[in-house]
Amino acid sequence: EAGVTQFPSHSVIEKGQTVTLRCDPISGHDNLYWYRRVMGKEIKFLLHFVKESKQDESGMPNNRFLAERTGGTYSTLKVQPAELEDSGVYFCASSPRTGAPLHFGNGTRLTVT
Amino acid sequence: EDQVTQSPEALRLQEGESSSLNCSYTVSGLRGLFWYRQDPGKGPEFLFTLYSAGEEKEKERLKATLTKKESFLHITAPKPEDSATYLCAVQGGSEKLVFGKGTKLTVNP
Repeated sequence: EAGVTQFPSHSVIEKGQTVTLRCDPISGHDNLYWYRRVMGKEIKFLLHFVKESKQDESGMPNNRFLAERTGGTYSTLKVQPAELEDSGVYFCASSPRTGAPLHFGNGTRLTVT
Repeated sequence: EDQVTQSPEALRLQEGESSSLNCSYTVSGLRGLFWYRQDPGKGPEFLFTLYSAGEEKEKERLKATLTKKESFLHITAPKPEDSATYLCAVQGGSEKLVFGKGTKLTVNP
């Protein structure tokens, strides 16, 4: 079984630019989550999809962040325009059903300069 | 607001030296407490889920226990390959996990 795949693994952009992160969940997993770890802080929830629908986006920091999940398969997280405080590691996770343990990808390390 | 505090922040052990990691939590209606292991440059890897006070789970040299206020991850006779950051997370009224900052464990040969 292929795991959760995230692309790119690293991204370095300048303040004001746009970046799009991609996540391919485990096949058949309807639940997809985005989390973020800012340096020195704990991993924090951003949002939760069930298939293509946003179930909970209470953790999204502001309207510069836009997440989509086309057809209930892969997901993208766009940051536009990026700010310095957006730097961190963005993790995607998936699970087959609500309440099941999450399977995490290896993350995308985003650096905004 | 749900909250998780892990201690110590870092722990250094000699191979074979058993110890415990602590996870204290406050949550409205605990649905599950999760332990994950994270290696450098990797995502968290699931270890255990505990659902109610008194529950215990074991896997190789690891044993997780749960009370109404905290969870312990006991490591018996650790090996260098057990070196990693161990994360605790709780799930309360929604699907989201609330994580602690983790305990970085180093096991020296």
